[in-house]
Amino acid sequence: GQQLNQSPQSMFIQEGEDVSMNCTSSSIFNTWLWYKQDPGEGPVLLIALYKAGELTSNGRLTAQFGITRKDSFLNISASIPSDVGIYFCAGSEYGNKLVFGAGTILRVKS
Amino acid sequence: GAVVSQHPSRVICKSGTSVKIECRSLDFQATTMFWYRQFPKQSLMLMATSNEGSKATYEQGVEKDKFLINHASLTLSTLTVTSAHPEDSSFYICSVSSGFEQYFGPGTRLTVT
Repeated sequence: GQQLNQSPQSMFIQEGEDVSMNCTSSSIFNTWLWYKQDPGEGPVLLIALYKAGELTSNGRLTAQFGITRKDSFLNISASIPSDVGIYFCAGSEYGNKLVFGAGTILRVKS
Repeated sequence: GAVVSQHPSRVICKSGTSVKIECRSLDFQATTMFWYRQFPKQSLMLMATSNEGSKATYEQGVEKDKFLINHASLTLSTLTVTSAHPEDSSFYICSVSSGFEQYFGPGTRLTVT
């Protein structure tokens, strides 16, 4: 079955630093999505990617859909305390069913 | 994106009883909704795909007789955990499908004592 490898598992960074996380897949995906989940809440969609090579920004967030369609990365620039949370990548091979990565826990030192 | 609500947000029940969780799409007519389960410090695991007016499609390993899903309208899907046991304690999250994007509800924390 499809598997997503998300790294790093966790990060502890200084406020103001840039952050980068990525996901790789054994399968080709047609869609990559990035979500953020705060404790006790549902995931919130941050960025959606639909085309290989696509680079999309949402404020301080930038994500790219890899050329091979098997990977994606998410960058957060100038991190702030409210960036704390768990970030999930999710991919869809066909249809609208998603496979999720294991998540990256982001902790920010203020 | 779509706005999704869930009710209740938290529920505690005794072992052997059944619990119903509602998922509502507040501003979007959703022909497809999804139900996920999330254990502490783990990712989301898809349980089933809920299709309006037809039977749900369950993922491998998910007991359809234990987790009953009803999607009777374009704005409401329900998940009933029947004869709940402590191992069913988890965070249950629904989502609505809008194209290839999914928008999630706030989740329901189920604790079975």
